[in-house]
Amino acid sequence: NAGVIQTPRHKVTGKGQEATLWCEPISGHSAVFWYRQTIVQGLEFLTYFRNQAPIDDSGMPKERFSAQMPNQSHSTLKIQSTQPQDSAVYLCASSSDTGQLYFGEGSKLTVL
Amino acid sequence: GDSVTQTEGQVTVSESKSLIINCTYSATSIAYPNLFWYVRYPGEGLQLLLKVITAGQKGSSRGFEATYNKETTSFHLQKASVQESDSAVYYCALSDNSGGSNYKLTFGKGTLLTVTP
Repeated sequence: NAGVIQTPRHKVTGKGQEATLWCEPISGHSAVFWYRQTIVQGLEFLTYFRNQAPIDDSGMPKERFSAQMPNQSHSTLKIQSTQPQDSAVYLCASSSDTGQLYFGEGSKLTVL
Repeated sequence: GDSVTQTEGQVTVSESKSLIINCTYSATSIAYPNLFWYVRYPGEGLQLLLKVITAGQKGSSRGFEATYNKETTSFHLQKASVQESDSAVYYCALSDNSGGSNYKLTFGKGTLLTVTP
């Protein structure tokens, strides 16, 4: 069991550029979650998919952020026109029907 | 909204000594949320340490314990004798278990535990 795989582990972008983060959930897990972690806000829920369908995106910023799950083996989080305040560690997690979340190691995004 | 408070950002404890990490919660959406402790060891992803879904019950794992106290809205993490391998960041969290939405975790800011030899 490889666990949840997130790539890249570190990404540095210039202000205004686009950043795409990838998540490969544990095989067989039906749900995928995205969280964001910053020093100030801590861990914040962003969005959630179940069986590839978007269920709840209430934590996603209304502009520039989007998430997709085109197939059961990966999900992406895209940030357009990145700003310095987007700098954070983005965590992906997956779960089966038991509800326990398994987290990846995270993708650290730095916007200069 | 819901919130979780961990009062200690960093804790240093000598090996074999006891540990307590404080956690209090406020759940505005439901009366009795599910409560969790997650841990992040160096170089690893965040993982579940223990959970309790019933008020008054105690959860335990790897020598750690936490009791769901609805009167004081607390879920403190305790261990009688820590080891160097327990050095990690510990997060208290809650989730709303109404309507099957047992997924949207609200986390505390985390407590960095350093165990010294």
